[in-house]
Amino acid sequence: AQKVTQAQTEISVVEKEDVTLDCVYETRDTTYYLFWYKQPPSGELVFLIRRNSFDEQNEISGRYSWNFQKSTSSFNFTITASQVVDSAVYFCALSEAAWRRGGNKLTFGTGTQLKVEL
Amino acid sequence: DAGVIQSPRHEVTEMGQEVTLRCKPISGHDYLFWYRQTMMRGLELLIYFNNNVPIDDSGMPEDRFSAKMPNASFSTLKIQPSEPRDSAVYFCASSPSGGNEKLFFGSGTQLSVL
Repeated sequence: AQKVTQAQTEISVVEKEDVTLDCVYETRDTTYYLFWYKQPPSGELVFLIRRNSFDEQNEISGRYSWNFQKSTSSFNFTITASQVVDSAVYFCALSEAAWRRGGNKLTFGTGTQLKVEL
Repeated sequence: DAGVIQSPRHEVTEMGQEVTLRCKPISGHDYLFWYRQTMMRGLELLIYFNNNVPIDDSGMPEDRFSAKMPNASFSTLKIQPSEPRDSAVYFCASSPSGGNEKLFFGSGTQLSVL
């Protein structure tokens, strides 16, 4: 069975600090997909990134970067120079290959509440 | 383009009443998912459809919950009878080709059962 663990329930930082959100996953499959979603106070879920299990390259998008390490089953998310607008709940998620029974199902972690203060 | 549209945004009802939540997926998306979000259980998948056919309903809590997708542009999630423990935010999401792709979420329906 697939599982996603986000051990950090809540993180508070001061604006302009860098912050890393941890995500550890478990899966029996060699083909799987990892995601990060953002849920701002308004409530909607916004897609941030998708990574497949065969692509271990780290990715950077503006102030956001993701570190995927299969050896430790982790897919961590770093925000550089955080801003107040980054305040949200961030979810890490996992889906197994679509052909597998139970594939296509996105399993979410419990989320990390990020508070960025002035 | 319009995103996933859910209605109503908020629903307050009394225990025992029937509740119907509605979802219009993005045109052309073959997959539709219903998720429920609570403080205790987080985001959990209730059911998903592929080409209007229910594929996996193992997350549906009990027989009081039912979901339908009569056509490619409309789905409903019904709770009958509703109970206070059903209070949650219910999200509908769609994707072009399944859960391995990015999901487009609606704004959610905040359900309160008194």
